[in-house]
Amino acid sequence: QSVLTQPPSVSAAPGQKVTISCSGSTSNIGNNYVCWYQHLPGTAPKLLIYDNNQRPSGIPDRFSGSKSGTSATLGITGLQTGDEADYYCGTRDDSLAGGEVFGGGTKLTVL
Amino acid sequence: QVQLQESGPGLVKPSQTLSLTCTVSGDSISSGGYYWSWVRQHPGKGLEWIGYIYYSGSTSYNLSLKSRVTISVDTSKNQFSLSLNSVTAADTAVYFCARVAPRSPSGWRGFDYWGQGALVTVSS
Repeated sequence: QSVLTQPPSVSAAPGQKVTISCSGSTSNIGNNYVCWYQHLPGTAPKLLIYDNNQRPSGIPDRFSGSKSGTSATLGITGLQTGDEADYYCGTRDDSLAGGEVFGGGTKLTVL
Repeated sequence: QVQLQESGPGLVKPSQTLSLTCTVSGDSISSGGYYWSWVRQHPGKGLEWIGYIYYSGSTSYNLSLKSRVTISVDTSKNQFSLSLNSVTAADTAVYFCARVAPRSPSGWRGFDYWGQGALVTVSS
């Protein structure tokens, strides 16, 4: 079981908007910055969002991030078929176990 | 452009040691400023952090794997390596290496560059 909880899958039509949630606790999301990653199987995962809501250069503004309390959200607008991928949230956990933690991943299907 | 490439055997026998190397280009591990990490993905599952190393050799490991894991660095070759001993079928996974930005009070740029991953199967 992943420390961070994500829905297993989401879907939407091309051009539409979708959000992916990431739920944690005060020991992780509540007190740490959150990142989001896009992963197409067989390729290198890509950093999409850092610092909860910042985009690295080259990431289109169709991708956005937000954080409130112990949850974070990734938003994608103007969906394209190329967005079909697995999306992961990640942060640090300050509990006794500690370390870097990721969500279980969300499979985005663009219908 | 920073690039990372995993290499190593794709098949390991149970009870033996899994060994992988990550070769970094476009950045120098010895310049400091970043951590160098291993992450794995079991078939059909999410990402699991294994550990990371700093150029100085300082390491941090996932507590659930700590007793079996060693991450080392060879700055002369700009490489870092993963060693996981006493493997079982549960260690079958795709293993990724990644560069990790340091945290500061003002932010964290995350795992900003990744390799494509190496599938390692544990089987006799």
